[in-house]
Amino acid sequence: QVQLKESGPGLVQPSQTLSLTCTVSGLSLTSNSVSWIRQPPGKGLEWMGVIWSNGGTDYNSAIKSRLSISRDTSKSQVFLKMNSLQTEDTAMYFCARTSGGWGQGVMVTVSS
Amino acid sequence: DVVMTQTPVSLSVAIGQPASISCKSSQSLVGTSGKTYLNWLLQRPGQSPKRLIYLVSKLDSGIPDRFSGSGSETDFTLKISRVEADDLGVYYCLQGTHFPYTFGAGTKLELK
Repeated sequence: QVQLKESGPGLVQPSQTLSLTCTVSGLSLTSNSVSWIRQPPGKGLEWMGVIWSNGGTDYNSAIKSRLSISRDTSKSQVFLKMNSLQTEDTAMYFCARTSGGWGQGVMVTVSS
Repeated sequence: DVVMTQTPVSLSVAIGQPASISCKSSQSLVGTSGKTYLNWLLQRPGQSPKRLIYLVSKLDSGIPDRFSGSGSETDFTLKISRVEADDLGVYYCLQGTHFPYTFGAGTKLELK
């Protein structure tokens, strides 16, 4: 059974860096791509970026300068790092397999 | 970026009645492979999104055939033949042809 689970700090201070981890089970990262998507409270969905099965990445140009996605295939983990956080980055952050399956999400609040 | 325009914003339907949601893209979603990467997702209250349909009309595993997807190029439709209580939530279309991937703003399905 495919499962994805996000983890990370619930609160981040403005201007700091957000680090999130997506731990997957039931699938191999070397044959599946994983995206990060976020959803501000009460709002719609924004695709942030993807790490492909070959390890290559693509990012949303709107946040590309602040975003980095990487992985550790031996630990079945995908990482998101985003710097210079502002209050508008407050959102639920999801990881999702491109061919279906989303994590439960992790709420991140940017506040001092 | 490709703009995905969903209509209606909300939909009130009685149990057992049909429902239809439209999604129009600002440019053709036919990729260089000839495939059209248009997905439909459902986000039930308090849950993460779940993919229902991919490649315009292919149902994900476990999705009842009450759901169907159709369309081509820039014009797509999700139909539910007979709405059930479990179908309530917000429906999103998602294009995966052009970077960045983009979502529609969502259609909230409520019970009449």
